Amino acid sequence: TQLLEQSPQFLSIQEGENLTVYCNSSSVFSSLQWYRQEPGEGPVLLVTVVTGGEVKKLKRLTFQFGDARKDSSLHITAAQPGDTGLYLCAGDGRKDSNYQLIWGAGTKLIIKP
Amino acid sequence: DAGITQSPRHKVTETGTPVTLRCHQTENHRYMYWYRQDPGHGLRLIHYSYGVKDTDKGEVSDGYSVSRSKTEDFLLTLESATSSQTSVYFCAISSTGPGNTIYFGEGSWLTVV
Repeated sequence: TQLLEQSPQFLSIQEGENLTVYCNSSSVFSSLQWYRQEPGEGPVLLVTVVTGGEVKKLKRLTFQFGDARKDSSLHITAAQPGDTGLYLCAGDGRKDSNYQLIWGAGTKLIIKP
Repeated sequence: DAGITQSPRHKVTETGTPVTLRCHQTENHRYMYWYRQDPGHGLRLIHYSYGVKDTDKGEVSDGYSVSRSKTEDFLLTLESATSSQTSVYFCAISSTGPGNTIYFGEGSWLTVV
């Protein structure tokens, strides 16, 4: 069974600070996705990374896929209160013999004004 | 936003009663999923469907059944609700397989008392 571990589980920082969230596994994934979930809503896809070493930028968010495709990171520059939410990573893989997205437990991010 | 509607959005029910959650999509996507989300567990797949009348189990399928009689509708039934099934339930859809990008509904909050 493939697993994805996210760290930290919880992060509370001041507006303007930088932060990095990690998504790690001992397994190789063909692709990895990052989602953001706001309270009372479903997760929304931010980005998909598919190539080892790939870096994608979405405004102040930078996503990186590890060279070995076992890990990924999300870096936010100059965080803003609007970045508050639950960040989830998900990799394509197998769990209990089913082919499905393997989900991390999430990082709850709070940006204080 | 993906056209996904979940109903009911909130429900309180008693232990032992059957409960049905409905997911309706307007995107004509082939794949539909039911997830539950609980603190500390992240998103866990209950069942998914890859076509009309074609369904398969996820990692936490015990106590749940599903049906898909039309492309646009996917029903999740708790045959005899238990307190451990108190959770937020998300329907999701995708045009390609379970390991690829999926789009979520807004969630159904179920409390079993």
